[in-house]
Parts: sequence; C-alpha cells; structure tokens
Amino acid sequence: DIVMTQSPVSLAVSLGERATINCKSSQSVLSSSNNKNYLAWYQQKPGHPPKLLIYWASTRDYGVPDRFSGSGSGTDFTLSISSLQAEDVALYYCQQYYSTPKTFGQGTKVEIK
Amino acid sequence: QVQLVQSGAEVKKPGASVKVSCKASGYSFSSYDINWVRQATGQGLEWMGRVNPNSGNTVYAQKFRGRVTITRDTSTTTASMEMSSLKSEDTAIYYCATSGAAGYSQHWGQGTQVTVSS
Repeated sequence: DIVMTQSPVSLAVSLGERATINCKSSQSVLSSSNNKNYLAWYQQKPGHPPKLLIYWASTRDYGVPDRFSGSGSGTDFTLSISSLQAEDVALYYCQQYYSTPKTFGQGTKVEIK
Repeated sequence: QVQLVQSGAEVKKPGASVKVSCKASGYSFSSYDINWVRQATGQGLEWMGRVNPNSGNTVYAQKFRGRVTITRDTSTTTASMEMSSLKSEDTAIYYCATSGAAGYSQHWGQGTQVTVSS
C-alpha cells in the first residue's frame, strides 16, 4: 500500500495570510503513461463529508476559489491557501488514487491564529 | 445534480452485521464507480473498497477483504456496503462516494453513523 504522510498535523494562520500543507507519498504517484500525478486534496468541515478541492495534484474542482492551489510531482505535494479566510477552517486530506487501496493522509487541521 | 443519499444511523451489537445503502440520482448510474470510505470519531479517512456499477466488479482494501461486501442494484441505482462480524472498532461514519475513470471522488453521500456497542 502507498503510505501518505501529511505535515504539519495542525497549523494556525492569521486571516489573510498563507497556509501551506505538505503531503508525501511512500512511492511515486506520477504515471509515466499520461504524465499525471494521481493526487487529490479534500476539505472536511465538522459534521460534513469531505469536499473535493483539487485533483491531478493541481486542478481545482468546479467552484473552488482560486486562493486554493496544489503543486508538486512524484512523491511530494503541497496544498496552499493564499489568503486564509474564516470559512477555510477545516481538516484537509490528501489522497492518492494511483493504486488501490486509495490511501489518505492522516489530515491537517487548519485554524485561525 | 449528482446526489448520493445514504441510509440512516445504525446501532449494532458486536458480532452482528450491518448493511448501509447509498441511493444515487442526478446522473447515469453506470458513469461512476461507488467507493466506500469510513471515518472513526476524531480520526482520518479510510478507503474500504469500490464497485463498478456496470460489471458489479469489486475491489477491496486488504483489511476488509472477507468481512465487507459491496454490491449494486442497477434497477434502483443503489449501492450497498455490508460488514459482518462487527467489533467496537468498526464504530465510525461510513461514506459512499463516486469516482470516475481517474479515481478521485467528486461526490459524497452525507454519511451513515454505525455504532457497535454491547
């Protein structure tokens, strides 16, 4: 199984400041056949299911604000929130869908400082 | 719009079985696989397995193989996840979620709380 490791476990950022979450996979999730990284990011607020933010490591899903961006390739990935808003307080998970089981990182809690 | 509506909360005793359903609407049922993901209280997300609505083919995480059965009913556009030999550690919220050919999950059900307690 591919192990996904996120860091930090939690972070507190001031409103309007940048938040950065890292995700590392135990093996590459970059496909040589299509040059795509099989990596997604989800946001989860208390009492709600996860919401897809980003897929293919850097493609925002429909309606996701452009302050959210994803980057990275191979085994190292980053989710950035360029200007943190109050509504961005949530848990964030990365997931690899390169192979089954489609494993998730352990999650990163983002709070307001 | 795509909707996944799950069955209601369940309370089961250790050793029992539970079946959670996921009714899909707003799209062609055959277009997306249905995945099952669980989340224990205060814990992260754990992918359990998926079913292809066309073929009925399933893939399970090793941890759940033999104890979890995922099925689909194309006539009612419903997928189900049945877990047997329940333990207290299976207490969690169980989610269904679609995935296309790529594999990421764009649409999620609201979740079903399963509580295993004597």
